[in-house]
Amino acid sequence: DAKTTQPPSMDCAEGRAANLPCNHSTISGNEYVYWYRQIHSQGPQYIIHGLKNNETNEMASLIITEDRKSSTLILPHATLRDTAVYYCIVRVRAGTASKLTFGTGTRLQVTL
Amino acid sequence: DAGVIQSPRHEVTEMGQEVTLRCKPISGHDYLFWYRQTMMRGLELLIYFNNNVPIDDSGMPEDRFSAKMPNASFSTLKIQPSEPRDSAVYFCASSFLGIGNTEAFFGQGTRLTVV
Repeated sequence: DAKTTQPPSMDCAEGRAANLPCNHSTISGNEYVYWYRQIHSQGPQYIIHGLKNNETNEMASLIITEDRKSSTLILPHATLRDTAVYYCIVRVRAGTASKLTFGTGTRLQVTL
Repeated sequence: DAGVIQSPRHEVTEMGQEVTLRCKPISGHDYLFWYRQTMMRGLELLIYFNNNVPIDDSGMPEDRFSAKMPNASFSTLKIQPSEPRDSAVYFCASSFLGIGNTEAFFGQGTRLTVV
């Protein structure tokens, strides 16, 4: 699986958009970008994934650059409950290479 | 569905004792993953199964660790003998790698303390 690089920490004011970047310059054509988050003491939680088109769901938006070497997770209106570690993962979608390998992630602190 | 269920939630044991962690995946899921999380090493994949068969156990730290999946609804991770450095939170996750369903669902974890 391609390696990802994320900033170790970020701050965001409550109600503002949180933009979390991820670099994955060695991504292969068949690898998807996944985002998970882990709120303190809980198991990781799936947020969103995409291949090359931008994606949006009820939790977040995922913007992938045209060359697919980087992406940004956007939480449009961050709340205190969004304080967590956010992990960007790239991997093949299915088959035997289906494991999720977590990096160090970005610790997002949402403040009043 | 109640999600991925792990037991116990907390376990404290003495060094040298056998420890068994349990996991019930989401019904219908065909992949099961065991992870370990520590402050020093973060989230590490230990082993994963597909249709009850171990696919990749390269993350299992040593022979003291073993994992089984006797059927689609149950898996165990056993440590024998346990050591203080095994203290960590152990997560189980399951997923269905069908089209459109590729997210993994994690349990609440088992916090293991070996004294």
